[in-house]
Amino acid sequence: QQPVQSPQAVILREGEDAVINCSSSKALYSVHWYRQKHGEAPVFLMILLKGGEQKGHEKISASFNEKKQQSSLYLTASQLSYSGTYFCGTEKTDYKLSFGAGTTVTVRA
Amino acid sequence: NAGVMQNPRHLVRRRGQEARLRCSPMKGHSHVYWYRQLPEEGLKFMVYLQKENIIDESGMPKERFSAEFPKEGPSILRIQQVVRGDSAAYFCASSPPTGQGGDEQFFGPGTRLTVL
Repeated sequence: QQPVQSPQAVILREGEDAVINCSSSKALYSVHWYRQKHGEAPVFLMILLKGGEQKGHEKISASFNEKKQQSSLYLTASQLSYSGTYFCGTEKTDYKLSFGAGTTVTVRA
Repeated sequence: NAGVMQNPRHLVRRRGQEARLRCSPMKGHSHVYWYRQLPEEGLKFMVYLQKENIIDESGMPKERFSAEFPKEGPSILRIQQVVRGDSAAYFCASSPPTGQGGDEQFFGPGTRLTVL
């Protein structure tokens, strides 16, 4: 079942913060976050695993509330390069990811 | 270490023709996933394959679509008798064979299929 992302879109000025939420009605093993720029492939940002382990490659933080089956991605001191569409992908225990509809982030100078 | 490779990057077909999309996973990866993305929408899971095995094809349309990942060579997503509604970006992703969930999936650049 597809996770629900909110908000659908957000507009920021450089340096501002934003939070993107992702929630699922099913028990999750992990939550994956990706950013996609128009016409390009999704780029991995972070994985949050049940039990608290995190794997990430960028200076973007996230949290995973296992009880609520919710994850939040925190964009802090946003930069122009943060613009794009952010997708959360949820994984139960069967490896395939169910992606949300995406949150479009626009960062303006 | 080359990333996930997909070809062609753009494919144009007329209605009724066949489309073949290829995906070479990252070196050392034996798990391949195919996703479809319609314009302005999110990614939809289609199929998950390991070498010579289809593990989960629950996202594949029942007709005209098939996928394989042979022992040698790339994974192939095949669409027979394409229709305009098949126009989309098709992404392939791969992950390492750890046998556990929570593995990062690395995405290829995608193949943009246009059906005229």
